[in-house]
This record gives sequence, C-alpha cells and structure tokens, in this order.
Amino acid sequence: DGGITQSPKYLFRKEGQNVTLSCEQNLNHDAMYWYRQDPGQGLRLIYYSQIVNDFQKGDIAEGYSVSREKKESFPLTVTSAQKNPTAFYLCASSADRGDQPQHFGDGTRLSIL
Amino acid sequence: GQNIDQPTEMTATEGAIVQINCTYQTSGFNGLFWYQQHAGEAPTFLSYNVLDGLEEKGRFSSFLSRSKGYSYLLLKELQMKDSASYLCAVRGRGSTLGRLYFGRGTQLTVWP
Repeated sequence: DGGITQSPKYLFRKEGQNVTLSCEQNLNHDAMYWYRQDPGQGLRLIYYSQIVNDFQKGDIAEGYSVSREKKESFPLTVTSAQKNPTAFYLCASSADRGDQPQHFGDGTRLSIL
Repeated sequence: GQNIDQPTEMTATEGAIVQINCTYQTSGFNGLFWYQQHAGEAPTFLSYNVLDGLEEKGRFSSFLSRSKGYSYLLLKELQMKDSASYLCAVRGRGSTLGRLYFGRGTQLTVWP
C-alpha cells in the first residue's frame, strides 16, 4: 500500500533540545513538503523540496532545518532556536505535475515539556 | 503577496446544501485545490479546478472563476460525517510552482 508515513505520532521536547520528525513516502513522488498547523489556523509551509539534494524555505523556516538525501525521505529537525514549537506538523508529497494533489501523512503532534 | 480568504465557521443541518466560498489574491495562479480535514487528522484531497467552471464529484462540487479570484465548494445532502474543516489552497506559478498557499480553513458543523 502506497502512502506517507510520519513518526512519531506524538513527540515531547525539552527546552534547548533539537528533535527530528520523520517523513517517508513510497509513492515515488519527487516533491515533499513540511507544514505546521496551529489551532484554528491553516497550514503554513516550513520547507519544501522538489528534487533530491535540493530544498527551499517556505514562509516560516526560522528555527527549522531539513535534508533530502533520498527521494523517499524528508526529515524535519526542530531546533532549540524555534521558541514556540508546540504544533501539529504535517508532511506531504506530490508528483511533479501541476494538477496532482499533495498527499498528507497522519501528522506529528509536538509538545514542550 | 498571497492572500486567501474563507469564512471561519459555518453551520448547516443534515440533508441540507452548503456553499463554502474562497477568494484569493495571488501573484500567480496555477490551480485551486479543496481539502477536507477532520479534527486531529491529515487533510484529504477533495477537488481541483484550473479552468473556469464547475467540477462535480458525487455530493461535492467545486466552482472556479479566475477573473474574479473566486471559488466555492458545494456540499449536497449533508451528513454528520461532513463536519470538518475545509481548506482552500492555490498553487503558485513560476519559481513558486509546486507549492500551495492555504487559507485558514472553514470549520463546518452539521447538526442533526
């Protein structure tokens, strides 16, 4: 079954700690995306990657970092520089065609201890 | 800049019809998507419009007017399970091709 897998489902971060959220897809999609969603808010783009070994900042990249070493994987690191990291994080992927929708993983809920 | 507006909340009764509007002002346009998101879950794709007109998919239809920067999602024969947030998203052009700009979502509550 093709899809996008995010792990873990819930994650807790201590002050000053970096944490990494995993996102893996087996849909053979070229493009991958990371979004942050806060209560009552839409999706805000953190980073996106349209090809392996290349990625672009979205609208709220500060305090986050990503890598795209493999087509299937696009991990997101929430660094200690992100002062308000509590949110629902969604990973998505899409084929490299304008009419193709983005498919989302089930999300990771990050909280501060 | 990019600006996508949709109402924050709407309510309707089971069996009714509801129309959720979305207006957009973006520096480029290459298609509009509607997604459904139940609380605590991932968004799921509902519809895509790139040309003017109506696209129908079962109980759901979506309309686009590019000249007016306007779209709506029409839900017919509402069911309780349609209670969810509905997200409007516009795809960019040129250097931003591939990314979507999302509205804040419209929370629809369906009452029995």
